[in-house]
Amino acid sequence: GAGVSQSPRYKVAKRGQDVALRCDPISGHVSLFWYQQALGQGPEFLTYFQNEAQLDKSGLPSDRFFAERPEGSVSTLKIQRTQQEDSAVYLCASSLVPGSNTGELFFGEGSRLTVL
Amino acid sequence: GDSVTQMEGPVTLSEEAFLTINCTYTATGYPSLFWYVQYPGEGLQLLLKATKADDKGSNKGFEATYRKETTSFHLEKGSVQVSDSAVYFCALITGYSTLTFGKGTMLLVSP
Repeated sequence: GAGVSQSPRYKVAKRGQDVALRCDPISGHVSLFWYQQALGQGPEFLTYFQNEAQLDKSGLPSDRFFAERPEGSVSTLKIQRTQQEDSAVYLCASSLVPGSNTGELFFGEGSRLTVL
Repeated sequence: GDSVTQMEGPVTLSEEAFLTINCTYTATGYPSLFWYVQYPGEGLQLLLKATKADDKGSNKGFEATYRKETTSFHLEKGSVQVSDSAVYFCALITGYSTLTFGKGTMLLVSP
């Protein structure tokens, strides 16, 4: 498709399990962002890639969170030893240009993670 | 740090009513301001933006004016439709950094 695709759309994990969330950005988009959206809250920044380089990971809440984009296209967000507070919708967004200062981010529908 | 405050929802209106969703911000420097919309079952999408004071962003009948003196960027529409039912997010960015979002305001429009 032409948009940002995320999978799985829904994931239920037991506390302590590892999960991996995938993002397929729009083809040719240089920038890729991950955001976390808790229930009733706005999206909060996790990390930013420009091509394959992770330029900003200041929003990752702990060292259990890890993201990669090895070939500058598909990205994976991995959460190790999941905790209940990790329950949220994880949003991926891409942009044609470096950074996000144009505001022209294209968002996927998100992956909803529930940790029991 | 940067922050965005939006009015709490849901905002419930009848079709053709006037809409205002309030948004105020605090930021270091001179932010660019945005409204994003999330329709049911879809991803966030940019609705409109304004990059400097007194700019007016507009799209699909919605508009918002960047008011530096009141640090506000209120979203307005003269006549809402049922199809405008969605969650609306105000956001800002300063410099070459990341978007900071408000909590979102749900709009419900009834026929």
